[in-house]
This record gives sequence, structure tokens and C-alpha cells, in this order.
Amino acid sequence: AQTVTQSQPEMSVQEAETVTLSCTYDTSESDYYLFWYKQPPSRQMILVIRQEAYKQQNATENRFSVNFQKAAKSFSLKISDSQLGDAAMYFCAYKGGNTPLVFGKGTRLSVIA
Amino acid sequence: DARVTQTPRHKVTEMGQEVTMRCQPILGHNTVFWYRQTMMQGLELLAYFRNRAPLDDSGMPKDRFSAEMPDATLATLKIQPSEPRDSAVYFCASGSTPGLAGGKADTQYFGPGTRLTVL
Repeated sequence: AQTVTQSQPEMSVQEAETVTLSCTYDTSESDYYLFWYKQPPSRQMILVIRQEAYKQQNATENRFSVNFQKAAKSFSLKISDSQLGDAAMYFCAYKGGNTPLVFGKGTRLSVIA
Repeated sequence: DARVTQTPRHKVTEMGQEVTMRCQPILGHNTVFWYRQTMMQGLELLAYFRNRAPLDDSGMPKDRFSAEMPDATLATLKIQPSEPRDSAVYFCASGSTPGLAGGKADTQYFGPGTRLTVL
């Protein structure tokens, strides 16, 4: 079964700085999707970024970008120019084949003014 | 701006009562998922549907939980009877399989959740 590991339960970053959240996964599939979701205190799960495994180019969405290393099964999220509104729980998730999402345990990000 | 809606947003009830949570998926989406989130267990998949047919409900306690899709615009999650350990935030998410409209295939879009408290 696929697993997703987020090894950093908590992270903090100074406002305007850059932070990287780690995620590794385990799978035997070659075609799959990876996601980062953000959950602020409101509890809403917000899609941050999506990566197709067949694409070599790393996905970017404004200040958010990923470092996708398929061979290493690593999928880290980089947040540039961190803002107070970025403070949230961040979940890495995997989806392959016909299976639903598999989530990591999450990383709580604090942004320090 | 299409989004998943869930009702109610908050529910407080007493042990033994029936609870029904509703979800309206994004128009055009053909997959619907129910998740439960607690501090101890994190996000757990309870059930999911494709084209209104249940594909997997192995995450649900069968004796008290039931999930249905009466039509393509409504999914329900019912707990009867409810217990204090059911207290959690319940999320509905919808998505589309490749070839269908309504967002990127295989991406799940979440509703705001229903916060359930069972006393």
C-alpha cells in the first residue's frame, strides 16, 4: 500500500523568508499524482499545488513551487516570500490509479512577523 | 466559482441521536469522497463514490454509518446512533475522472466540513 511521510510535524519561518516542507512517499506505481493541501485555522482544505508524476517539470503556483524527485520519491513544497496568511497545516497527498488520496500526517507551519 | 458545499457546518447532538450530513459536489464531478478528521487519527477516508456507485466504504463503521448518493447533486452521510467518539470534522470532497469536465482530473476539491460534536 502507498504511504506518505511528512517528517516535520512543525516548522516556522520569518515573514518574507523562504521555507521548504518535506514529503516522501512509497509506491510501486509509475503513473500517479501528488498534491499539497493547506488547512488554515478555518479547517477548510485548500488545494495548493498539483504534480503529475509523468511530468519532469516542477509545478509552480505563484509563491508556491515543488521539488519533485521521482527516483527518490520525494515531493517537497517551497513557499517563497512567506506571508502571515500562509500559517496553516500543510498536507502532502498521493493519488495513484483508481485509489483515493493517501495523506501524510501534516506539517504545521507558523509564520513569524 | 464552483465549490463543494456541506450542510450543516456545525452540529451538536446527544449520544444516540441520528445525524445526517449533506454534500453537494461541484457540478460535473463524478467522484465523491467522505473523510473524517480528528486530532488523534488525522484524515481518514470513510467512503467514496464514482458515478453515484459506492466503490469503497471499508473505512466506515458499518453498524452505525451509512453513505448514499440519491442523485448526482447530493451525497449524504448518516450516523445512527451517534456516539461521543464520532465527534470530528467530516469533509466531503469531489473530483472528476479523466475525460470529464469540472476541474483537473484526479484532483479532489474539499468542502468546508461539518464539525460534529456528540455529547
